[in-house]
Amino acid sequence: KAGVTQTPRYLIKTRGQQVTLSCSPISGHRSVSWYQQTPGQGLQFLFEYFSETQRNKGNFPGRFSGRQFSNSRSEMNVSTLELGDSALYLCASSVPGTGGEKLFFGSGTQLSVL
Amino acid sequence: DQQVKQNSPSLSVQEGRISILNCDYTNSMFDYFLWYKKYPAEGPTFLISISSIKDKNEDGRFTVFLNKSAKHLSLHIVPSQPGDSAVYFCAATYNNNDMRFGAGTRLTVKP
Repeated sequence: KAGVTQTPRYLIKTRGQQVTLSCSPISGHRSVSWYQQTPGQGLQFLFEYFSETQRNKGNFPGRFSGRQFSNSRSEMNVSTLELGDSALYLCASSVPGTGGEKLFFGSGTQLSVL
Repeated sequence: DQQVKQNSPSLSVQEGRISILNCDYTNSMFDYFLWYKKYPAEGPTFLISISSIKDKNEDGRFTVFLNKSAKHLSLHIVPSQPGDSAVYFCAATYNNNDMRFGAGTRLTVKP
């Protein structure tokens, strides 16, 4: 079974630009979560999608948005990039249940904002 | 709000000895706790978990202990091996809410 696939692997953008990251979950996984990882801050939750609906949302500004398609693939978009948005963006998929289900992570997209 | 805290950013141990990684949480609603391991340039991978109805879960060299009254959990690795060198994240969740992660502890196991 293929794992979680994130594209692109690396991105370099400049301030003010916008960026779209893509995530293909494990086949059969209908929940997709996005996390931002920065040194010292660990993994900060961005949002979670299930069946094309945003189910949970973290404390990030509205510049961060996402969506999920009918095939469970997900995209996240960051508009008006700031230097502080430089981070590793991780996508994770899971089979939602009553809680405690494992997240399966992709390798991430390393975003650098210059 | 940092509901899951790992106060030690790094830990160094000798090969063969025990590694103890600690994690504290503030939200008493959490009912499931997990540990993830992350190597450079890779996503985190699941290591071990524990439900709040238990106080210990063991899987080979890895044991997780949960102290609900102290809102504290720990991961023990015995014996530690150089291949265990990685960043370890503690995570917690409840119901269908998002999983919250700590800042991570970088473990270095010296040969």
